[in-house]
Amino acid sequence: KNQVEQSPQSLIILEGKNCTLQCNYTVSPFSNLRWYKQDTGRGPVSLTIMTFSENTKSNGRYTATLDADTKQSSLHITASQLSDSASYICVVSAWDSSYKLIFGSGTRLLVRP
Amino acid sequence: NAGVTQTPKFQVLKTGQSMTLQCAQDMNHNSMYWYRQDPGMGLRLIYYSASEGTTDKGEVPNGYNVSRLNKREFSLRLESAAPSQTSVYFCASRGLSSGNTIYFGEGSWLTVV
Repeated sequence: KNQVEQSPQSLIILEGKNCTLQCNYTVSPFSNLRWYKQDTGRGPVSLTIMTFSENTKSNGRYTATLDADTKQSSLHITASQLSDSASYICVVSAWDSSYKLIFGSGTRLLVRP
Repeated sequence: NAGVTQTPKFQVLKTGQSMTLQCAQDMNHNSMYWYRQDPGMGLRLIYYSASEGTTDKGEVPNGYNVSRLNKREFSLRLESAAPSQTSVYFCASRGLSSGNTIYFGEGSWLTVV
């Protein structure tokens, strides 16, 4: 069964600190992996998208990594800001039906001053 | 540039009532989707439309119908609302013009009492 699992479920960090969110998936055949940021009460917004051949991609203070062999991805946030408080969702699509996405349940991040 | 616009933002229905959620995108995308998001769960696909004139069931289609009115618009209809359909609904679109990034609307909060 295609699944995407994220950890931790929630995380609290102090402003300025770094953090890493994890995503493990069992989607096959793998097409691409996306990370989304969802602010409370808003729709998800794309941060990164990686295909099989990419193992790292950055978007400002956000850096995503992908290990297709172990089927793991991480999202690293550097020098966190209060505005980083949100849910971060890992989304994986399968090659044979790339328009059908498998969503993780997200990691809720709270950045405190 | 509005992106993906969905209405209404909030709605309260009585059990058995019907309603339609409207969605429009201005990015000339071929593919459009309707998802629901429930607490502690990943987004789940209700219906999708790979291109104008086609619609297909997703993971949780029961109790819903859709119409791809034209390339811009994709509506979701609840014929006889049930309390189990209380959720947040997101419309999304995807197209080659945006590098396969999926864009989400701001969400529609639906409560069925």
